[in-house]
Amino acid sequence: EPEVTQTPSHQVTQMGQEVILRCVPISNHLYFYWYRQILGQKVEFLVSFYNNEISEKSEIFDDQFSVERPDGSNFTLKIRSTKLEDSAMYFCASTVRTGSEQFFGPGTRLTVL
Amino acid sequence: GQQLNQSPQSMFIQEGEDVSMNCTSSSIFNTWLWYKQDPGEGPVLLIALYKAGELTSNGRLTAQFGITRKDSFLNISASIPSDVGIYFCAGLRWDSNYQLIWGAGTKLIIKP
Repeated sequence: EPEVTQTPSHQVTQMGQEVILRCVPISNHLYFYWYRQILGQKVEFLVSFYNNEISEKSEIFDDQFSVERPDGSNFTLKIRSTKLEDSAMYFCASTVRTGSEQFFGPGTRLTVL
Repeated sequence: GQQLNQSPQSMFIQEGEDVSMNCTSSSIFNTWLWYKQDPGEGPVLLIALYKAGELTSNGRLTAQFGITRKDSFLNISASIPSDVGIYFCAGLRWDSNYQLIWGAGTKLIIKP
């Protein structure tokens, strides 16, 4: 059964460093998303991506964040200068069309020291 | 902003008991989704609902899309130890259909 994959599973970084989180969405899906979940809290929307551009982004997704689909399979989230409060689980999701169920990857746990 | 109120926050039940949780909102949603999340893992889709009044089952799980489109419930019958985890409702609106709006989760704990 096709699934969303994410790497790495855990990333530890120093404050101010850049990180890139990687995702491989389900192959026939066209809409891609990043969410984050701070420990013990609800999942929060960051950004959606379709047709090689951002469709919608939340207030959390400020200038420090960027997304890219560098090739036909990967979907990346870059945080340019990490802050302590960026520590969270980051989930990638994909769906075949808007309004349809979104399938989530296993997440990347980002720890900023 | 749009909010989903999910209750209860946590449940302590005996193995074999039935479980019920729900989500409500002041806004209308066009799609309701129920996910389960185990510690340190990503949310796993359990049930997707697309029509008001729709009642859908997945094994021991049953979920309904409320007639008003402002609520949904999830029932688990005859709970077993592997049902332990956090259950989230999430909704989509056509006018904001690029992002899922999430409930705060219901933590299910099964007493031995």
